[in-house]
Amino acid sequence: IAGITQAPTSQILAAGRRMTLRCTQDMRHNAMYWYRQDLGLGLRLIHYSNTAGTTGKGEVPDGYSVSRANTDDFPLTLASAVPSQTSVYFCASSDSSGTGDNEQFFGPGTRLTVL
Amino acid sequence: GQNIDQPTEMTATEGAIVQINCTYQTSGFNGLFWYQQHAGEAPTFLSYNVLDGLEEKGRFSSFLSRSKGYSYLLLKELQMKDSASYLCAVRDSNYQLIWGAGTKLIIKP
Repeated sequence: IAGITQAPTSQILAAGRRMTLRCTQDMRHNAMYWYRQDLGLGLRLIHYSNTAGTTGKGEVPDGYSVSRANTDDFPLTLASAVPSQTSVYFCASSDSSGTGDNEQFFGPGTRLTVL
Repeated sequence: GQNIDQPTEMTATEGAIVQINCTYQTSGFNGLFWYQQHAGEAPTFLSYNVLDGLEEKGRFSSFLSRSKGYSYLLLKELQMKDSASYLCAVRDSNYQLIWGAGTKLIIKP
């Protein structure tokens, strides 16, 4: 593994189903983030974690949950998917809670379609 | 509310110079980032500004004026591979990034 990986690459999901998007990083970064990216809108923060064992809500957290059991993994769960959750989901990580000039590194994304 | 504004789309010619502007209104300011995103790919970091002035990095430069809530990304000697979206993001008082919708840059030969 080099950097951040996400799985699956893409998924078509029936409305009402539960889905977990996986994210793993090998850079030992403290902070991790989940964003969604929709056409015409900027990246919007769903949830974040400044360090293992802690999580926080971003701009659009409703319908999503996260956990951070260890430094490397940060899964995002949709408990009961709805069509408005159709989007491209990016996981990102940064060192030291994103302070200073520590940029965020992004995974390749998961394209999710909810029908 | 918090707002980041960028032009939706710009067109430039190979070999030329282009300036992409970004204006922002955020709750607090702890730095401004520019990212590049090719179609279907993840954003990648280009530059960071926290103090007023110009930061130069090869063909790319980024400028910041905190008093005006304004930044620009300057791309010189444009190449076809520079065709991408350019995202402006401001780190707010909570140290979270607020993102603009991005500027799609089209390079013509």
